[in-house]
Amino acid sequence: EAGVAQSPRYKIIEKRQSVAFWCNPISGHATLYWYQQILGQGPKLLIQFQNNGVVDDSQLPKDRFSAERLKGVDSTLKIQPAKLEDSAVYLCASSLDRGKSGELFFGEGSRLTVL
Amino acid sequence: GEDVEQSLFLSVREGDSSVINCTYTDSSSTYLYWYKQEPGAGLQLLTYIFSNMDMKQDQRLTVLLNKKDKHLSLRIADTQTGDSAIYFCAESFSGGYNKLIFGAGTRLAVHP
Repeated sequence: EAGVAQSPRYKIIEKRQSVAFWCNPISGHATLYWYQQILGQGPKLLIQFQNNGVVDDSQLPKDRFSAERLKGVDSTLKIQPAKLEDSAVYLCASSLDRGKSGELFFGEGSRLTVL
Repeated sequence: GEDVEQSLFLSVREGDSSVINCTYTDSSSTYLYWYKQEPGAGLQLLTYIFSNMDMKQDQRLTVLLNKKDKHLSLRIADTQTGDSAIYFCAESFSGGYNKLIFGAGTRLAVHP
């Protein structure tokens, strides 16, 4: 079974530029998550989709971050304009349902460096 | 509030047992989890425990849950060098759709 796919793996940009990350969840997984993991910290939830609807985006900095999940499958996360403090690994995860066991399957992440 | 706390670093000798501790805040969490992250990789679920259980054993892993103190621990028996990684404790936040709140992670270093 294919896992969660993310691209690009690495991205270096200058502050005020824009960047987009892509995620393809495991086939059939209704719930998709974007987490931000700053170096030395645990993952922090940015946004959670149930199919193509947003169920939690309370921690998403909406002035610069946006995310969409068209057709309830793939998702993109965009940052515009980027700030230095956005340097982090952006992890995408998916789960089958609301989670009897709550198992999230994570991708390898997209590492962003903002200079 | 939502908060999960862990000690940041643990060093053990190969073959010894490792115990990683975690405290959480949401007393109504349904599940509590341990995830493992190896360098350059995403997080992988190691084990989880339902909130009405006190203990769960899975091969070399033992999870203990003290709901009164909101304390969770992960014991790894016969720790091997391949166990070197960062271990994250997570709670399912009762206010959301399967929303997981992670701790900062405990880096486990296993030395000969």
